[in-house]
Amino acid sequence: ETGVTQTPRHLVMGMTNKKSLKCEQHLGHNAMYWYKQSAKKPLELMFVYNFKEQTENNSVPSRFSPECPNSSHLFLHLHTLQPEDSALYLCASASGGAMEQFFGPGTRLTVL
Amino acid sequence: DQQVKQNSPSLSVQEGRISILNCDYTNSMFDYFLWYKKYPAEGPTFLISISSIKDKNEDGRFTVFLNKSAKHLSLHIVPSQPGDSAVYFCAASERSNYQLIWGAGTKLIIKP
Repeated sequence: ETGVTQTPRHLVMGMTNKKSLKCEQHLGHNAMYWYKQSAKKPLELMFVYNFKEQTENNSVPSRFSPECPNSSHLFLHLHTLQPEDSALYLCASASGGAMEQFFGPGTRLTVL
Repeated sequence: DQQVKQNSPSLSVQEGRISILNCDYTNSMFDYFLWYKKYPAEGPTFLISISSIKDKNEDGRFTVFLNKSAKHLSLHIVPSQPGDSAVYFCAASERSNYQLIWGAGTKLIIKP
């Protein structure tokens, strides 16, 4: 595997379910990001991790819970989501000191 | 209020002609700007960037122009090719915090 991978690619869940999104980067980067992209809207930064430490949480509801066990893996744990949380969730990574972020293909999430 | 705006949701250009995508920003502290391209079912891929100390950066068929006084940047693609059909996102950042602020994207359609 190369670059940034995300699983699953598609996820349909009910509002009472608990699920997790997984991201893995094979680029040797030390920063990882979670973004939410809703239709025709800008990408919204959710969480930032640098060297496994969370450095940003942009007022994201607690029903989204990130986890970064090491600098190659990033998870987003989901529970009791709302239909308006349906969106494309993108993971990205970057090298320390670099502005360019490298993205995974995203997980298309639908909350029923 | 959006700090980065792409006012054209879509743009249609004839193959072989020049495509010009525009982006405006409001935050005068932004000092680094990036363009990304996104195909359906894929994550955004980095295209080209420019620092605020420059007013032009060129990479093959892609040129980004920065007008700091107008808080405006543009991406020129010449000649346009069918494979350029995608959504293009503009992003801006202050180098000090490594966070990207995104526009909503412009869908570019290259007509054969």
